[in-house]
Amino acid sequence: QVQLVESGGGVVQPGRSLRLSCAASGFTFSTYSMHWVRQAPGKGPEWVAVISYNGRNKYYADSVKGRFTISRDNSKNTLSLQTNSLRAEDTAVYYCSRGGVDSPGTHDVFDIWGQGTMVTVSS
Amino acid sequence: SYVLTQPPSVSVAPGKTASITCGGNSIGSKSVHWYLQKPGQAPVLVIEFDRDRPSGIPERFSGSNSGNTATLTISRVEAGDEADYFCQVWDSSSDHYVFGTGTKVTVL
Repeated sequence: QVQLVESGGGVVQPGRSLRLSCAASGFTFSTYSMHWVRQAPGKGPEWVAVISYNGRNKYYADSVKGRFTISRDNSKNTLSLQTNSLRAEDTAVYYCSRGGVDSPGTHDVFDIWGQGTMVTVSS
Repeated sequence: SYVLTQPPSVSVAPGKTASITCGGNSIGSKSVHWYLQKPGQAPVLVIEFDRDRPSGIPERFSGSNSGNTATLTISRVEAGDEADYFCQVWDSSSDHYVFGTGTKVTVL
């Protein structure tokens, strides 16, 4: 069945880095845009970044632009998020989510979500 | 930046109808999607493109969108509908995706 499984979360000190991964299965990964969405404890979801199906287009939330980098490996059905210069306010559950078919990364709906991976930024 | 405003909470008796609003400037010109989220779980898509139900979502869930308000309606509410509900749009002016503030639905 269609599945997204995140990994790579953990506890990290402010200013350090962490690389999150999302393994996709059950669908043709290379034809879908993919997103990262995060949710801080007790808060609503916050969109983080999107990458188009072919990797050519990337968009970022203002809160992470310049610090986070989204990428994908269509040969391995894997989505990644490199998070640098982490701050306390980056503490959240990070979800990967599927976007649209042949999508450039815009006007997507998040139809499939993973179970999330927790990132805690604390000294 | 584009803002989506939802009521913090809605309470409804079993079998009755719950309406959850999502307010935004000219939201009627955008496509609105709705998600429910139960504690400790990932969000689940319940309405896409204003009024379409994904496969597996009961007909009790419906949506509408016009002017400055989008609405998610849950008919014949059941105890299992108790969850947080979020609206979401794509804001083309900023190339950002935006989620609403969220509404906690309580079944009395």
